[in-house]
Amino acid sequence: KNEVEQSPQNLTAQEGEFITINCSYSVGISALHWLQQHPGGGIVSLFMLSSGKKKHGRLIATINIQEKHSSLHITASHPRDSAVYICAVGGSQGNLIFGKGTKLSVKP
Amino acid sequence: DTAVSQTPKYLVTQMGNDKSIKCEQNLGHDTMYWYKQDSKKFLKIMFSYNNKELIINETVPNRFSPKSPDKAHLNLHINSLELGDSAVYFCASSQNALDGRTEAFFGQGTRLTVV
Repeated sequence: KNEVEQSPQNLTAQEGEFITINCSYSVGISALHWLQQHPGGGIVSLFMLSSGKKKHGRLIATINIQEKHSSLHITASHPRDSAVYICAVGGSQGNLIFGKGTKLSVKP
Repeated sequence: DTAVSQTPKYLVTQMGNDKSIKCEQNLGHDTMYWYKQDSKKFLKIMFSYNNKELIINETVPNRFSPKSPDKAHLNLHINSLELGDSAVYFCASSQNALDGRTEAFFGQGTRLTVV
């Protein structure tokens, strides 16, 4: 069993829909990261959080430390949000332990 | 001005060759990493250096050797390339590895194809 589990694996949405991607982890962590990988391949850090909630534009990330669960929400989704969203947790030596990613496709 | 840059972006080479991928960061970070993304898009740590000192060396064949001449550079040298080495290799850096609470910055990736 992977230490970081994401769901769903694939997600197709219509433009404007509210999107939720979930992440559960089984190890103790210092921080949880949400990353975005564009179709061109580059990886960008969206959020790093260790408690509560963070918001950046249309993106919201929440974490529940007791339940070992985090969610990434996208409000008013747009085709340019189409990408792979990756949940990762900080390992004991600072490296990231990744989930398998959620491929999001937003249709116009 | 690119924060983490790696070269080349694409690398096609024959089995048995030796190749290097270079990575440089201009963020003043202490820690650099090499991650491998396999054909199923799953990312996994290979190596990590903190201030030029190796701190993570996952189960990676000896044919892979990282080299950090200074804390701004972490190169990856691969000997005797095999078909299974085909993947995308990402370099990344972060300010302070050991507390796990720092944001990671990634290079654009190097797509290695071994034929």
